[in-house]
Amino acid sequence: DSGVTQTPKHLITATGQRVTLRCSPRSGDLSVYWYQQSLDQGLQFLIQYYNGEERAKGNILERFSAQQFPDLHSELNLSSLELGDSALYFCASSDTFSGNTIYFGEGSWLTVV
Amino acid sequence: DAKTTQPTSMDCAEGRAANLPCNHSTISGNEYVYWYRQIHSQGPQYIIHGLKNNETNEMASLIITEDRKSSTLILPHATLRDTAVYYCIVRTPGANSKLTFGKGITLSVRP
Repeated sequence: DSGVTQTPKHLITATGQRVTLRCSPRSGDLSVYWYQQSLDQGLQFLIQYYNGEERAKGNILERFSAQQFPDLHSELNLSSLELGDSALYFCASSDTFSGNTIYFGEGSWLTVV
Repeated sequence: DAKTTQPTSMDCAEGRAANLPCNHSTISGNEYVYWYRQIHSQGPQYIIHGLKNNETNEMASLIITEDRKSSTLILPHATLRDTAVYYCIVRTPGANSKLTFGKGITLSVRP
């Protein structure tokens, strides 16, 4: 158990809909990262937040957005969903100490039908 | 971050040591070598990391060559549960530092 909690574990929704994925980082971790893993793309970095502020952006679509709240939990919002958005979405967190090792949650499996 | 090169796949017998190689010839002085693994569709699991000295923990050992251009992850007694994709990643630790995953190496442990 990495200590990173993601909900929901599985989600099935229709094209055009909007979903929110939630992540609770390990206690005390200030950084949150979001990754997407689809069958043909491998693990792709989407976005990083540090203590509420966006710090780095990767291959995140404009239809996707994220935020980190004062209690440090984070949400990834996916809108106007397309079939190709079906993927595993991982959240990860790291602290400022201990070498900034990054720990991953178990993921949210999104299926768009 | 420097790029890494790993073989596509390898296998080993259960109970034997698994030695997973990684090349990172363009690594810079402040970059660490990290190893993660992903067991089928689970979240990537941190294994170990190091800068230039060899490192060992309860999961594995990491051997980094003196010139730091390559490293080897050693699982001393592989079990069937070690079957996974193993990722070697070079990264500079820091608050703004992400992990960039390549394709990794698929390790298959056979009975």
